[in-house]
This record gives sequence, C-alpha cells and structure tokens, in this order.
Amino acid sequence: DAGVIQSPRHEVTEMGQEVTLRCKPISGHDYLFWYRQTMMRGLELLIYFNNNVPIDDSGMPEDRFSAKMPNASFSTLKIQPSEPRDSAVYFCASSLTARWETQYFGPGTRLLVL
Amino acid sequence: SQQGEEDPQALSIQEGENATMNCSYKTSINNLQWYRQNSGRGLVHLILIRSNEREKHSGRLRVTLDTSKKSSSLLITASRAADTASYFCATDALAGRRALTFGSGTRLQVQP
Repeated sequence: DAGVIQSPRHEVTEMGQEVTLRCKPISGHDYLFWYRQTMMRGLELLIYFNNNVPIDDSGMPEDRFSAKMPNASFSTLKIQPSEPRDSAVYFCASSLTARWETQYFGPGTRLLVL
Repeated sequence: SQQGEEDPQALSIQEGENATMNCSYKTSINNLQWYRQNSGRGLVHLILIRSNEREKHSGRLRVTLDTSKKSSSLLITASRAADTASYFCATDALAGRRALTFGSGTRLQVQP
C-alpha cells in the first residue's frame, strides 16, 4: 500500500484566499483524522471521520474551517478565508478499526499564508 | 490541556547510550502509543501498549506503563544517530468520543 497520501505538499497563499487540502487514506481504513501542527500549539486534532461520517469536530478552530469526506478514499480540509495564523503543517492520518488504535500519518501539507 | 505530556522536552546523548523519555497523562485510557517524527516528516507509529500491560518490547525499544501513576516511559537502547527525532506519546480517553491526544514531544539528539 502507498500509505496515506496528501496533496499538495506545500502551499503558499495570500490572506483571504481559499485553501483546499486533500487526503487519501489507506484503503480499508475506517477512520480518518485531520491534525494541525505548530510550534506554539503542538499537534492538534481538528476533526475525525468514521466510515465517512464526521464524529468529532470540536477541534476545528472556527467556521472558516470545514472538512468533508465524500467517499472512503478521499477527504478535504478547506480554509476559507485563510489567515496568516492558519500557517502550519496539516497532517492527515488513518486507522483501521478504532479511534484509539494505531494511526498512519501522511507526509503533511506545509501551509504558509502571507 | 494536553492529555499526555513528555519529559524531558529535549535530550542530547552520545551514540551508543540509552535514551529514556517519560510521558504523564491525566485520565483513564484504553492504550498509550509512542510515535516518532523526523524533521519535516509525518509521525510514525513505534509501539502501542494497552492499559492491562505493564511492559512491551520492540527491537531496541522498551515501553513501560504504570496506570496507577498515569505514566509511561520509552527507552531506546544503544542509540544511533538515526534515532535523532521528536518522540510523542499519544493517549486516548477511555470515555467519550475523543480520539488520540498527543503530547508536546521530546526532541532527541543523538551525537555520532
């Protein structure tokens, strides 16, 4: 298996622009997680899905952030409008059967909002 | 606040020495996991220890779990320069729907 795939790997945009991050989980995994990592706040869970259904979005910072999982092999995290404080590395991860089991991380998307 | 907190925040050792990192957490858990993150990369799972286990080994890694003290330790024996990375513990909450919560990590530097 190719592992968790994320795109783009790097994104530079200007404040106010819409940003869409993409993730393809490992085939057969029932859970998908979106994280944000910054030096100040560490690794934060934003939202996770089980069988394409959002289960816990309490980590989504504000309404500018939205996430979807239209099918088992694809998820997006959208920021609209983007702000400089959204600059971070965004990780997608998936796990096979449960929210507390081993998670497999993608390489991350490094986002810089100018 | 963080469920898991690692100690120390940074550790520098010589190749061949052992490295010990600690993690403390606050609530009852199903399991505790350790992950490694090389600079600029995603996290990689190292080992999972369940709440009814006290010790687990994987190659040069040894993890202990003390649920009465709500703490865990990760020991890397005979360290190598390639072990240089950040190490995170991750815990889940036994109750509720929250998924894993990661600590702030220990930055390990192994000098060749």
